[in-house]
Amino acid sequence: GAVVSQHPSWVICKSGTSVKIECRSLDFQATTMFWYRQFPKQSLMLMATSNEGSKATYEQGVEKDKFLINHASLTLSTLTVTSAHPEDSSFYICSAIRDTNEKLFFGSGTQLSVL
Amino acid sequence: DQQVKQNSPSLSVQEGRISILNCDYTNSMFDYFLWYKKYPAEGPTFLISISSIKDKNEDGRFTVFLNKSAKHLSLHIVPSQPGDSAVYFCAAAGGATNKLIFGTGTLLAVQP
Repeated sequence: GAVVSQHPSWVICKSGTSVKIECRSLDFQATTMFWYRQFPKQSLMLMATSNEGSKATYEQGVEKDKFLINHASLTLSTLTVTSAHPEDSSFYICSAIRDTNEKLFFGSGTQLSVL
Repeated sequence: DQQVKQNSPSLSVQEGRISILNCDYTNSMFDYFLWYKKYPAEGPTFLISISSIKDKNEDGRFTVFLNKSAKHLSLHIVPSQPGDSAVYFCAAAGGATNKLIFGTGTLLAVQP
């Protein structure tokens, strides 16, 4: 089956620093990738939709200048949390879709802890 | 506004018995529904899906039922196994986008 690789799986950083999370589709070309975050005991919340070669579409309430998304190729999307603060600590998950009729394939997630 | 609701935050079931996880939705545009299983600190893994043109889909021990008039779906696991213990999310999609809207999850604990 399709595999989506997400890296790193966990990261601890100081407040004010930036963190980059990578999401790769390993055996297919992903025209669309999605970024989610999950706070403890809450649902997965869609942050943004990323289409290769175009600007990401952010959900309401998500700061595009804080959460930079770059979908530079059909196999790689990156999420950069800029000037991270403790309230950004969360579990971030990416997913990829091969075409419009396919189900989503999820990465393994990244646990971000901002001190 | 929570469009996809899982009203039971947790469920405990004995090994070998049936687990029934419920999910309600409010948006009549949803036409595709999925269940995901998630272990702690891992990404969700796809379990089973159902299109709105069907009312039942079965895959091994997992069966999903869809009641469109009630805007309700359920996941049945039988027989339940300890390895099924995880958080289960239902998700729905529909309309012009591929966005998935997730419920808040139900923690299933299968007791040996």
